Amino acid sequence: KAGVTQTPRYLIKTRGQQVTLSCSPISGHRSVSWYQQTPGQGLQFLFEYFSETQRNKGNFPGRFSGRQFSNSRSEMNVSTLELGDSALYLCASQPGTKDTQYFGPGTRLTVL
Amino acid sequence: AQSVTQLDSQVPVFEEAPVELRCNYSSSVSVYLFWYVQYPNQGLQLLLKYLSGSTLVKGINGFEAEFNKSQTSFHLRKPSVHISDTAEYFCAVSIYNQGGKLIFGQGTELSVKP
Repeated sequence: KAGVTQTPRYLIKTRGQQVTLSCSPISGHRSVSWYQQTPGQGLQFLFEYFSETQRNKGNFPGRFSGRQFSNSRSEMNVSTLELGDSALYLCASQPGTKDTQYFGPGTRLTVL
Repeated sequence: AQSVTQLDSQVPVFEEAPVELRCNYSSSVSVYLFWYVQYPNQGLQLLLKYLSGSTLVKGINGFEAEFNKSQTSFHLRKPSVHISDTAEYFCAVSIYNQGGKLIFGQGTELSVKP
């Protein structure tokens, strides 16, 4: 099976812009979670989607949003970008709700 | 609330020496425990997990970990490391029966020297 794929792998934006990141889970996996990784804050949970519904949400401002489509693919959106949003954004998928999460390679976002 | 503490931010070790990466967690409810590894410019790869049953868990690449409920620890060990084990290692917990939210420790950078 193909692993979790994320596009794009690298992205450069300027402050105030918005960005959309995409994640395709492993075939058959219905749950997709998003994480932000920064040197200062480490790995932080953003949100989880299961069958197109948000199941869990981390402590991030409303500028961070996501959605999941009927084929389980997921997107996350960050509006009004700030310098502090520069990070590696990781997506993970799992078959159900009590399984191991498998991570994609991440999208490296740089905000200038 | 749950939290994870990795007690060492950096662990230097010589090739073929044993290594232990320490992880303590705090939770008032049952949790699942995981160790992930991250190589430079890559995502996270699962090394091993504890869901239930035997407290000694064996994973990939010769790693193992022991769940100690009384000490709320889940330390990762390898009897003999290789240069290729150089990477960052993350301990994580998820709450039993509550889906995909993983809470991570701050990571331990393992540096294996020849």
